Amino acid sequence: AQSVTQPDIHITVSEGASLELRCNYSYGATPYLFWYVQSPGQGLQLLLKYFSGDTLVQGIKGFEAEFKRSQSSFNLRKPSVHWSDAAEYFCAVGGKAGNMLTFGGGTRLMVKP
Amino acid sequence: DVKVTQSSRYLVKRTGEKVFLECVQDMDHENMFWYRQDPGLGLRLIYFSYDVKMKEKGDIPEGYSVSREKKERFSLILESASTNQTSMYLCASGTVANYGYTFGSGTRLTVV
Repeated sequence: AQSVTQPDIHITVSEGASLELRCNYSYGATPYLFWYVQSPGQGLQLLLKYFSGDTLVQGIKGFEAEFKRSQSSFNLRKPSVHWSDAAEYFCAVGGKAGNMLTFGGGTRLMVKP
Repeated sequence: DVKVTQSSRYLVKRTGEKVFLECVQDMDHENMFWYRQDPGLGLRLIYFSYDVKMKEKGDIPEGYSVSREKKERFSLILESASTNQTSMYLCASGTVANYGYTFGSGTRLTVV
């Protein structure tokens, strides 16, 4: 069975500081990995995805994520956080063989001025 | 861009009412999904559909049903709304192997 763990429920960073959100997954084959962002009261928006190839993927809003197969991780990073990045972030895993995405529990990011 | 539209952003219903939440997508996706989102519980899959008139139960189907009469429309039905169904409901469509899911803006349902 596939699963996703986001160990940090809440994270607070200062504006301008760097950010790393952790994601660990369990999947029996080559995973397809996603990060979504949800602003308050909104649906989820795709930030970036990893299917194959370069393990460092770039996304929208200046985010990037690195796939590390040996660690079963897909951590999201941003070099300098903006106040508008305050939101909830979800990591998800799926596979080519199926149509189901499994989501992590989410990490709520707060940004201090 | 793929668009997934949920008919209502906010809805207030009374206990025992029959409630319909509508979702329409415009990209000819075969797969559509209904989730509910509650604080601390993340996204939980209620029902999904791979094709017209086809439905599969997700993790928490109790108290819900769905209808997919047309490919673009996937409706979630609360047969008799209860207060514990107060939640944010998210519709999504898409395929993992393409671009993942596209989500609607959500419907915040309050049952009083």
